[in-house]
Amino acid sequence: EPEVTQTPSHQVTQMGQEVILRCVPISNHLYFYWYRQILGQKVEFLVSFYNNEISEKSEIFDDQFSVERPDGSNFTLKIRSTKLEDSAMYFCASTRTGGYGYTFGSGTRLTVV
Amino acid sequence: SQKIEQNSEALNIQEGKTATLTCNYTNYSPAYLQWYRQDPGRGPVFLLLIRENEKEKRKERLKVTFDTTLKQSLFHITASQPADSATYLCALAPLINQAGTALIFGKGTTLSVSS
Repeated sequence: EPEVTQTPSHQVTQMGQEVILRCVPISNHLYFYWYRQILGQKVEFLVSFYNNEISEKSEIFDDQFSVERPDGSNFTLKIRSTKLEDSAMYFCASTRTGGYGYTFGSGTRLTVV
Repeated sequence: SQKIEQNSEALNIQEGKTATLTCNYTNYSPAYLQWYRQDPGRGPVFLLLIRENEKEKRKERLKVTFDTTLKQSLFHITASQPADSATYLCALAPLINQAGTALIFGKGTTLSVSS
């Protein structure tokens, strides 16, 4: 069964530092997403990416966030200057196209201290 | 404002019974609705998708219904087992911008099946 792979599984960073979360989506999927889940809260949409550009983003995805697909396989989320409230599980997901279920990765637990 | 609500935060049932979870939404006209399972510390796992023109969908012991008039989906697990214990998430895709549209998730219902 194809998987979405995320690295690292856990990252601790100091407030104000930059972090890059990495994802390898499923190879024949066309749409890629980042979601986050603060402990005890619901899964929240951050950004979707299609055809090498952002197709949709939420209010959470401000100028501190950016995404990139630097090559044919990786998909990254960068947070430029982390804040305490950025502490959460970050999930990458991909889907073939609209009308299909998403495949989520296992997540990166980001802890900002 | 747009909302998606899963009525129960927690549901406790005995093994062998049918679990029924509810998802209600307001101010959306979703193209489709999806159900996911999430275990602690893990990513959501896709279970079922039902489209706006479908009333019911089944997969093994799982059944989903979708009533666009009531703006409600019901998720059933028949012959429940302790291994079904998890949090179940309802998610919908707004009608606009179907292809690759962002899913909006409910907060989830945590199901506990006791033996």
